[in-house]
Amino acid sequence: DIQMTQSPSTLSASVGDRVTITCRASQSIDHWLAWYQAKPGKAPELLVHQASRLAGGVSSRFSGSGSGTEFTLTITYLQPEDIATYHCQQYHTYVTFGQGTKVEIK
Amino acid sequence: QVQLVESGGGVVQPGNSLRLSCAASGFTFSTFGMHWVRQAPGKGLEWVAVISNDGNDKYHVESVKGRFTISRDNSKNMLYLQMNSLRLEDTALYYCAKTDCDSTVCRLLDSWGQGALVIVSS
Repeated sequence: DIQMTQSPSTLSASVGDRVTITCRASQSIDHWLAWYQAKPGKAPELLVHQASRLAGGVSSRFSGSGSGTEFTLTITYLQPEDIATYHCQQYHTYVTFGQGTKVEIK
Repeated sequence: QVQLVESGGGVVQPGNSLRLSCAASGFTFSTFGMHWVRQAPGKGLEWVAVISNDGNDKYHVESVKGRFTISRDNSKNMLYLQMNSLRLEDTALYYCAKTDCDSTVCRLLDSWGQGALVIVSS
């Protein structure tokens, strides 16, 4: 099974900051990586697919990069509405998720 | 717009059964594969099962094989997860999710429901 390791598990930042979340795969997954945003009581939303392609309607403050085994999700100009847990998912071989990164406002 | 609404969650004793339902609207349900994903308290997301658009292909994670069954009724735009022999470790928020294509190899989850809570407790 492909393991996904996300870091950090919790991130505290100020409004306006640039934040970066990392996801590492236990083996190469090419560019078959997605990022999701999950807020309590709401349906998770697809943010990024194929490592760097923004899903429709997603703010351009979000961007994804990476290939192979190392990937990042970057949020520029952090806003209060970005408070959420972010999950990476590989879909190269079956489906596995990272442990999630909770983003808080400092 | 795409809407997925789960129902059927609740509190159940170990060994008992529960059936989750997911009502789909806003898209041609019979065209897309569908998944169930769960999140146990304090844990990350875990993929549970996938079914092809026509219901002919389905796969389940090893930990639920023989106990859980994914199914669908395209005439009703409904997705189901029949959960038998429930265990304490099955306690989780269960999400249904839509894929971006028709078969079980479609693994990008482009729309999700809000989830149904299943608590297995004695």
